[in-house]
Amino acid sequence: EVQLMQSGAEVKKPGESLRISCQVSGYTFNNYWIGWVRQMPGKGLEWMGIIYPGDFDTRYSPSFLGQVTISADRSTTTAYLQWSSLKASDTAIYYCARHGSGRRGVDYWGQGTLVTVSS
Amino acid sequence: QSALTQPASVSGSPGQSITISCTGTTSDIGSFTYVSWYQQHPGKAPKLMIYDVNSRPSGVSDRFSGSKSGNTASLTISGLQTEDEADYYCSSYTSSTKLGCVFGGGTKLTVL
Repeated sequence: EVQLMQSGAEVKKPGESLRISCQVSGYTFNNYWIGWVRQMPGKGLEWMGIIYPGDFDTRYSPSFLGQVTISADRSTTTAYLQWSSLKASDTAIYYCARHGSGRRGVDYWGQGTLVTVSS
Repeated sequence: QSALTQPASVSGSPGQSITISCTGTTSDIGSFTYVSWYQQHPGKAPKLMIYDVNSRPSGVSDRFSGSKSGNTASLTISGLQTEDEADYYCSSYTSSTKLGCVFGGGTKLTVL
């Protein structure tokens, strides 16, 4: 059974750093693109970026390039989303999501991680 | 602004059928058959309902169906039930960005 298990909710102050995680199981981690999707309060889904753990090829949406870092650890089958300096506008739910084979869209989702940034 | 355009809201009564549209361009929906639809209930993660334009994952009711014509994809829900009330998002592969994937802005379905 494919599972994407995300780390728990976080409360941070502006300017702090943060890394959230998504540990996967039930499939070969190296063989599928995995990405991060932001959902701001009351808003829709936005792609932030994706990574292919097989060769660490990483691609970002222009809106998020330079704002976050996406990485992966093949030894623990875990994908990460990292901020170096959070802003209040980063408050959102973040989902990790596995792409299906080839050019297919997302077929599996994590449960979401709520990040709250407030002074 | 989302790359794919969906109506903000649709509504229907129990037992009726509704259709949600998703309009893209020749760089995405018009040229590829990689359209997916997701259902999201409040406070929950999205759930895959349709992939490859008109295929249903195991466990998804056959009341949900998908289609495509030109640059527009559609999700039809027949025999509406109260539990179908949710937000629905379309997604497509796109050749216009390195990311290769885009979402629609989402449609709120209200079952009256």
